[in-house]
Parts: sequence; C-alpha cells; structure tokens
Amino acid sequence: DVKVTQSSRYLVKRTGEKVFLECVQDMDHENMFWYRQDPGLGLRLIYFSYDVKMKEKGDIPEGYSVSREKKERFSLILESASTNQTSMYLCASIGRQGADTQYFGPGTRLTVL
Amino acid sequence: GQQVMQIPQYQHVQEGEDFTTYCNSSTTLSNIQWYKQRPGGHPVFLIQLVKSGEVKKQKRLTFQFGEAKKNSSLHITATQTTDVGTYFCAGRKIGTSYGKLTFGQGTILTVHP
Repeated sequence: DVKVTQSSRYLVKRTGEKVFLECVQDMDHENMFWYRQDPGLGLRLIYFSYDVKMKEKGDIPEGYSVSREKKERFSLILESASTNQTSMYLCASIGRQGADTQYFGPGTRLTVL
Repeated sequence: GQQVMQIPQYQHVQEGEDFTTYCNSSTTLSNIQWYKQRPGGHPVFLIQLVKSGEVKKQKRLTFQFGEAKKNSSLHITATQTTDVGTYFCAGRKIGTSYGKLTFGQGTILTVHP
C-alpha cells in the first residue's frame, strides 16, 4: 500500500513565524503536490514537484515556497505565516509516471493566530 | 484559468434515497477523477473516466463522463450512512502535465438514518 505521511496533524503558529510542513512518501514516486483545502473552495494546488530539486507553481503559490532535496520528501514552507493561511494542508503523490491518480496524506490542520 | 464547478455544495438525504453530484469544466478535459473524503479523513481515489461518454459503475455508484468531456456526474443509488462524506471531482486539462488536476469545490453528503 502506498503510504503518504505528514509531519503533524495539527499545528498552531503565530503570525510572522516561519512554518515548515513536511510530507514523506514511501513508494519512490517522482511527483508530489501540496494543496490547501478550505470550505466551499475545494482543494487548491499550491506547488508541485516532478523530481528532486524541481518545483512548479500551482494556482495559489503566493506566500509559500517548497523544497524537494530528496525524492521521498516534499516540504511546504510558509516564510511568514499570516492568519489567512489558516487551513487544512494536504500532500499528495502520484503512483506512476503518466498516471493522474493521487494518493493523499492525512493532512495538517494549521491555525495561525 | 481552468475552472471546475461542482454542484450542489451540500446535499442532505434520507437513507435509501438517491444522490447525484455534478461537475462542469470550462475547458475540455483529458480525464476526470472522483474522490471521496470521509469526515476527518483525506481524499481517497474512487475512479477515473477517460473516454467521451464513458459510464462506469461501482456497486451503487454510477459515474458518467460527458460526450464533450467537459462534464461529469456521480450518482449513488439507495444511499447508506456509510456514503457520508465529501465527494470531489478533479479534471486534467488537455495538454497539461500529468497529475496537475483542478478540483471541484466538493459536495458534502449527509445521510439521515
């Protein structure tokens, strides 16, 4: 079974703090994604990565950056957290090259005070 | 950019009633996928439709992809309490990278016993 794990289920940070969200997958997947999920807006793509050290902006990259130093790990970084970044963050990976089916991690609910 | 609209946002049904959620894209899709997210859980892949006019069934669930590959629907016959959750459609625009999906807003299904 594909396993995608995220570093925290719940996180509370203060405005202005630097926040790291980590995602690890154990199936040697090339492609990894970060989404945020908000009520009524569905899942919106923040950033994705097709390979180590490669990244591409998704639909809402402002205020975020990412890092992919190892194939299995994809980190989302909030350089200076703001209250409007309070959300559920979901990481996903793709099972095989050329497929679209995404395997999601359990999510991190981030609250910025 | 590509828009995927999903309706209704909420649906409350009595157990045993049918349920349908609709998905409409502003652009032609390469394929469409459906995901289910149980309360407190993460999205889980249900099915992918690729061909124009395609219909697929999974027990009580029927999935359709429109002839123009711009719309899709998920129909559940005789709902059960285990069907509770949020159903998302997700489509990939023709010519975009694998895995770069646009998600609908989701339909939250509540089933009253």
